[in-house]
Amino acid sequence: DAKTTQPPSMDCAEGRAANLPCNHSTISGNEYVYWYRQIHSQGPQYIIHGLKNNETNEMASLIITEDRKSSTLILPHATLRDTAVYYCIVLNSGGSNYKLTFGKGTLLTVNP
Amino acid sequence: NAGVTQTPKFQVLKTGQSMTLQCAQDMNHNSMYWYRQDPGMGLRLIYYSASEGTTDKGEVPNGYNVSRLNKREFSLRLESAAPSQTSVYFCASHRGPSNQPQHFGDGTRLSIL
Repeated sequence: DAKTTQPPSMDCAEGRAANLPCNHSTISGNEYVYWYRQIHSQGPQYIIHGLKNNETNEMASLIITEDRKSSTLILPHATLRDTAVYYCIVLNSGGSNYKLTFGKGTLLTVNP
Repeated sequence: NAGVTQTPKFQVLKTGQSMTLQCAQDMNHNSMYWYRQDPGMGLRLIYYSASEGTTDKGEVPNGYNVSRLNKREFSLRLESAAPSQTSVYFCASHRGPSNQPQHFGDGTRLSIL
C-alpha cells in the first residue's frame, strides 16, 4: 500500500473550515484514500473515503487531485469537538487485504 | 447500536500473568482485527481474521495469540505478559471483501507492571 505524508499538527478557528492535506504520491490506480480520526484515545472513527472523484458526506468533504497524488479533507465548519488526530490512509481494496496502516496523522486543534 | 464491544476497558497485570481480551461485533461483519496503540503513535496491526475460521499475523504478532471463536467474536490472548505490552488495544471489524470502512471499539487500556 502507498505511504502517506501529513503535517504533524494544524490549528483552526472554531466555525471556520479546516483543510487537512495528505500526500500519497505513490498511490496506484486501485487504491482508495480513507480518512479516520481519533478523539482523545477513543477508537478511530471513520470519516470518508474515495477513489478518484470528490466525495461529500454529513461529516466532511474529500478532494482528490486529478493525478491522485494528494488529497484534502475539509471540515466545513469546525467545532471544538473536531479536535482530534486525523489519519489519511491509502488502501488497496481490490484484493483480500484490508489491513489499515496508520501513520502518526495530523493533530487538528480547533480553537475558540 | 452496540457495534464493536471490547472487554475489559481497563486492566492491570503483573509481568508473567496471562489474560484474554474479548471483542464482539453485532454487524455481521466477516473480518475482524486487533491493533495496539502506544503513546504518540498510530495503530499497529497485531492479528486479523479475514473470515470465520481463519487468522493471520499482522505487523506485531509476537507475544500474542488469537481465536476467532465464531463470526461475532475475536479474542486476543497474552500468554505471559511483559511490560512492553503495556498499550491500548483496539478491536475492529469490517464487512469484507469490500471498500467499506472498518469499525472500531473503544479500546482496552492494559498496564503491565
